[in-house]
Amino acid sequence: EAGVTQFPSHSVIEKGQTVTLRCDPISGHDNLYWYRRVMGKEIKFLLHFVKESKQDESGMPNNRFLAERTGGTYSTLKVQPAELEDSGVYFCASSSSDRYYGGETQYFGPGTRLLVL
Amino acid sequence: AQKVTQAQTEISVVEKEDVTLDCVYETRDTTYYLFWYKQPPSGELVFLIRRNSFDEQNEISGRYSWNFQKSTSSFNFTITASQVVDSAVYFCALSEEGYNTNAGKSTFGDGTTLTVKP
Repeated sequence: EAGVTQFPSHSVIEKGQTVTLRCDPISGHDNLYWYRRVMGKEIKFLLHFVKESKQDESGMPNNRFLAERTGGTYSTLKVQPAELEDSGVYFCASSSSDRYYGGETQYFGPGTRLLVL
Repeated sequence: AQKVTQAQTEISVVEKEDVTLDCVYETRDTTYYLFWYKQPPSGELVFLIRRNSFDEQNEISGRYSWNFQKSTSSFNFTITASQVVDSAVYFCALSEEGYNTNAGKSTFGDGTTLTVKP
């Protein structure tokens, strides 16, 4: 069974440009999470989808970030316009749960390394 | 609010030494889950273990062992007879359970970078 995949693996863009990150969760996983690790600090939660609905987006830093999960399959995270402080590693994770109340193991993708110059 | 502290930023050991990575957590919930992940140089996060708050039994998996102590809110990870391939960043994480909207997300520590020298 394929794991969580993310595309691209690396992205280098200039300040003010737009970047779209994609995540394909493990097939059948309803829960999809986005996390970010900035400058070697902790991995921080961004948001949580249950199928196509946003369950929790309390970690989204500002309105320059837009996440979608149309059809409840893959998800995209768009940063527009990108700022220098957006540089970091963006991780996606998915989990399987029919209860949606937390505690399930999240399986992570390899991450997308974003560098904003 | 939940919080995870990994006080050790970097640890360096020589191969075959034992090493313990510390993890201390804070949560108001009585039901929660603790995790350890390994991030090797290739960058992906590899799941190692999941424990729930009602199961304080220590666990051993090969050279890896975990010590969960609710009394001190700690979930420490020990690698016995370390090997060069154990070199990685290790993250401890906490997830709360509940029927509220923020259940499910994980809170991570800053990570501990382990270097095992030959």
